[in-house]
Amino acid sequence: KQEVTQIPAALSVPEGENLVLNCSFTDSAIYNLQWFRQDPGKGLTSLLLIQSSQREQTSGRLNASLDKSSGRSTLYIAASQPGDSATYLCASRGSGSQGNLIFGKGTKLSVKP
Amino acid sequence: GAVVSQHPSRVICKSGTSVKIECRSLDFQATTMFWYRQFPKQSLMLMATSNEGSKATYEQGVEKDKFLINHASLTLSTLTVTSAHPEDSSFYICSAEPPGTVYNSPLHFGNGTRLTVT
Repeated sequence: KQEVTQIPAALSVPEGENLVLNCSFTDSAIYNLQWFRQDPGKGLTSLLLIQSSQREQTSGRLNASLDKSSGRSTLYIAASQPGDSATYLCASRGSGSQGNLIFGKGTKLSVKP
Repeated sequence: GAVVSQHPSRVICKSGTSVKIECRSLDFQATTMFWYRQFPKQSLMLMATSNEGSKATYEQGVEKDKFLINHASLTLSTLTVTSAHPEDSSFYICSAEPPGTVYNSPLHFGNGTRLTVT
C-alpha cells in the first residue's frame, strides 16, 4: 500500500528565501506525482504534475523534481513571497484501474515579510 | 481551464439529519469524480469514486449506506451524509478530470465543504 510522507510538517522562512519541500513515497510504481497548494478552508490548486518518465517540471518560481528509484520528489520555491504562504501537498497517482491520488499530510509554509 | 464547483462551502447540521453536497464540473463532462475527506492536520483520504451511470466504488472502511453517492449526469455528482454524527464533521472535497486524459492531466478540485455536525 502506497504511503506518502512530507517533511517538514511546517516551515517558516523570511521573504526572499529559496526553499525546498520534500515528499517521499514507498511504492515507486507510480503513474505521476502532483504538487498542490491548499489555502486555509479551501480546495486544492494544482501546481505541477510530473509524469513517471520525467525528472522535473518548472512553472515560474516553482520547480518540482522526481526520483522514482529513491521514491522522492522535491518542490523548490525560489525567491519566496508572503503570498506563497499555504499548505503544500504532494500526491502520487497509481497506475491501477482507478488511479486515485494518495496524499501526504502536507507542509504548512509561512513566508514572513 | 477546467473548473469544478462544490456547494455548499459550509454547512452546520444537527446530529441525525442528512446533508447533501454537490460537485459540478462547469466546463467539461466528467465520467468519473472522486470524493475525499480531510480531517484537521491529516491527509486527504479518498472516500469513493463516483462513476456516471453506475454505482460508486467505496474505499475500505467507508460505509456506502451512510455516504450515498449519486452521479446521475456527466456534470454532477452528489454526496449525501445520512444520519450525520459529530464524528462526521470534516472537510469534504470532490475532484474530477475531463474524460480521455488517461491520468495525464491534473485533477481539478472543488473548494470543499466544511461540515459541522452539532
